[in-house]
Amino acid sequence: VQLVESGGGLVQPGKSLKLSCSASGFTFSSYGMHWIRQAPGKGLDWVAYISSSSGTVYADAVKGRFTISRDNAKNTLYLQLNSLKSEDTAIYYCARRTGFDYWGQGVMVTVSS
Amino acid sequence: DVVLTQTPSTLSATIGQSVSISCRSSQSLLDSAGNTYLYWYLQRPGQSPQLLIYLVSNLGSGVPNRFSGSGSGTDFTLKISGVEAEDLGVYYCMQATHAPLTFGSGTKLEIK
Repeated sequence: VQLVESGGGLVQPGKSLKLSCSASGFTFSSYGMHWIRQAPGKGLDWVAYISSSSGTVYADAVKGRFTISRDNAKNTLYLQLNSLKSEDTAIYYCARRTGFDYWGQGVMVTVSS
Repeated sequence: DVVLTQTPSTLSATIGQSVSISCRSSQSLLDSAGNTYLYWYLQRPGQSPQLLIYLVSNLGSGVPNRFSGSGSGTDFTLKISGVEAEDLGVYYCMQATHAPLTFGSGTKLEIK
């Protein structure tokens, strides 16, 4: 099992960014997937979940601004981040299923002017 | 939201010492089907978190059996029986019984 995130970077407040998580080593379409973030020097915060049938759930802090999606043909999970705020600065991890049995290496998102 | 309170926040141990970390929940984590969705993770310095324990007491894949989990309802414990140098890092509990999923604030294990 391997999860590899990409798409992070430095972005100005109010702008957008799209993160990707490429999955391999398992039947991606059969699993729910999560995004979890970690602000610098802080603990872990759950961000969003998408089920194997593409039902979605979001943390209140990102609801209406972030969108989780998946492309099973490409074995890829996405997180669209809109209207970014400085408090969204964090390492973003993708993780497999509730229980987070596998994590990616994380991708850094920095929101700053 | 469910608040998970981890104690202690920092733990210092010698190699071979046994230690315990507590995770207390603001609500019972037992669901109506009789399941308790409480998990433990270790985040080593500079690394992603890794699953140690799932569903209170089940050892994750490849996790050494010096790690064990116990508890029920609102009180849970992670025990390391014989700390090794590679166990240093931050330990987190997480609950998935109630939405939204929430994590404890972490316990940092230092090796003396």
